[in-house]
Amino acid sequence: GESVGLHLPTLSVQEGDNSIINCAYSNSASDYFIWYKQESGKGPQFIIDIRSNMDKRQGQRVTVLLNKTVKHLSLQIAATQPGDSAVYFCAENINQGGKLIFGQGTELSVKP
Amino acid sequence: DAMVIQNPRYQVTQFGKPVTLSCSQTLNHNVMYWYQQKSSQAPKLLFHYYDKDFNNEADTPDNFQSRRPNTSFCFLDIRSPGLGDAAMYLCATSRDRDRGREQYFGPGTRLTVT
Repeated sequence: GESVGLHLPTLSVQEGDNSIINCAYSNSASDYFIWYKQESGKGPQFIIDIRSNMDKRQGQRVTVLLNKTVKHLSLQIAATQPGDSAVYFCAENINQGGKLIFGQGTELSVKP
Repeated sequence: DAMVIQNPRYQVTQFGKPVTLSCSQTLNHNVMYWYQQKSSQAPKLLFHYYDKDFNNEADTPDNFQSRRPNTSFCFLDIRSPGLGDAAMYLCATSRDRDRGREQYFGPGTRLTVT
């Protein structure tokens, strides 16, 4: 079936460096692509989303890029901090409906 | 603070013994979701309620049922837990169906089946 998946299962970065987390998707009908952060022992937390007709959206220290040509989504975190250590999931939302389809996560580890 | 609360945080049940997990929310959101998350995997949607309208996922086993007696509460019933049902169960809410991309998750209930 259609799915959203990630290229890298783990990513280790030095504190202060920029992080890039990647995701490949296969469903071209998605209206929104979203990034969630899940810290250990907690539920996922919404970070940022991007509508399918956009290619870039910036938030506070985070930027999401969407390349529809190659069906690729990325999350960039600037000046990565220890508090950014978590598992990051990409997800898709179809037709503004209520459902999310999550991709496989990437664990981000920030070294002090 | 408005939030999504799940009780208990940890639940141990015996193989085949019915178990109920609960979720409550103070956000007054219309939509409530139940996800199953196994170790090192992504959350998998089981079903969701839009107000009182129940929406089951096609691949959710009949062993899993849900109830939403009012806006604030939603329950997940596992009628005959198997060893393969051991997982983290996450409850989430969204303000409305057109805001389903932004969901608010509870901390989860970790279910162990012995």
